[in-house]
Amino acid sequence: NAGVTQTPKFQVLKTGQSMTLQCAQDMNHNSMYWYRQDPGMGLRLIYYSASEGTTDKGEVPNGYNVSRLNKREFSLRLESAAPSQTSVYFCASSQPGPPASNYGYTFGSGTRLTVV
Amino acid sequence: AQKITQTQPGMFVQEKEAVTLDCTYDTSDQSYGLFWYKQPSSGEMIFLIYQGSYDEQNATEGRYSLNFQKARKSANLVISASQLGDSAMYFCPGSGGYQKVTFGTGTKLQVIP
Repeated sequence: NAGVTQTPKFQVLKTGQSMTLQCAQDMNHNSMYWYRQDPGMGLRLIYYSASEGTTDKGEVPNGYNVSRLNKREFSLRLESAAPSQTSVYFCASSQPGPPASNYGYTFGSGTRLTVV
Repeated sequence: AQKITQTQPGMFVQEKEAVTLDCTYDTSDQSYGLFWYKQPSSGEMIFLIYQGSYDEQNATEGRYSLNFQKARKSANLVISASQLGDSAMYFCPGSGGYQKVTFGTGTKLQVIP
């Protein structure tokens, strides 16, 4: 089925370790996003990529880097994990459209990351 | 940029009754969209319904309808005939800027048998 695929689904890291969260979409969407969700809160935007070859910071970018590898793939890297980065991470994608249109926003199933 | 406010941290509803989940937004954009997503305990984000700022009629999708009041900047979700499977967190993100959506803190709905 078409959609957004995230790997891994679960991960435990030690403080200071690094890792990369992978995201791939097969809907031919131009835009991709990384969000984090902390307990009792909504999703907050970490980074986004409006199109292949571009990336921009969102609301909470500190401690993260991203790579838009190609149109399908958008990865999120934690260089030196900290306990404050314990969260659920969601990748999403959307397609361009006129203002006030439904962008076909689609989320992956999430990655639950624990940093100890 | 948008700011989304969901003032009901938790709601209870009797099975088969209707329930309204509140959502207000604040934006300076002329063109914007409002979504509702359901997040069950399994964690995935499930798209429910969408309303564009230029849409003249309220959006409906099956048991879900969106009560859009532009002047009041509200976009409340109405779920008719609640089912046990409706128990979940509900979010009403809004789109602003370049397709980026902004989330509120959500409402936890519990359906009572």
